[in-house]
Amino acid sequence: DADVTQTPRNRITKTGKRIMLECSQTKGHDRMYWYRQDPGLGLRLIYYSFDVKDINKGEISDGYSVSRQAQAKFSLSLESAIPNQTALYFCATSERQSTDTQYFGPGTRLTVL
Amino acid sequence: GESVGLHLPTLSVQEGDNSIINCAYSNSASDYFIWYKQESGKGPQFIIDIRSNMDKRQGQRVTVLLNKTVKHLSLQIAATQPGDSAVYFCAESYSGYALNFGKGTSLLVTP
Repeated sequence: DADVTQTPRNRITKTGKRIMLECSQTKGHDRMYWYRQDPGLGLRLIYYSFDVKDINKGEISDGYSVSRQAQAKFSLSLESAIPNQTALYFCATSERQSTDTQYFGPGTRLTVL
Repeated sequence: GESVGLHLPTLSVQEGDNSIINCAYSNSASDYFIWYKQESGKGPQFIIDIRSNMDKRQGQRVTVLLNKTVKHLSLQIAATQPGDSAVYFCAESYSGYALNFGKGTSLLVTP
């Protein structure tokens, strides 16, 4: 969905490096999410934010941190990347009223060597 | 290579046939269900949703059926086309808290 953009689209890094993945949206949604996708495991929630001052841990937050710089921007950081963080990362947004229908960005493919 | 157990269930159908993708959900209190389609190299794309006060909802070429008694959700795609080849995910939520995604089913449409 072009309304949700992610940068970079692909990244290769080394163990121990700090990495930031960025997400921007023009949908005017208050709620934003970060997911990770691994083969055969579906989408797992890392962190979510219901507004600029609200940050919540998801199912698999260990090793990650987030920053909600503005309504339209939500970044995910890996403080010290490790190989098992190699995955596809997706950002999503939803409207203020509900988590229900989430709109996803194109994804970032991260490889940690 | 991939480990055993990480392969997605795969449904193979011929072009023009109808497809049925099934999903078992876990939370009997879930009140909202949604199907996403994910094509290779792209993010999940919304297809259709249904609330727990309904048992059927139709869209363009797609129908979602909900059976709360056995906690089962299905997605029916009529006259399946090559462009329907993708991975399909169901997701459930309770009171708008968070979406819980299934592991996905790969649909392969053959000519």
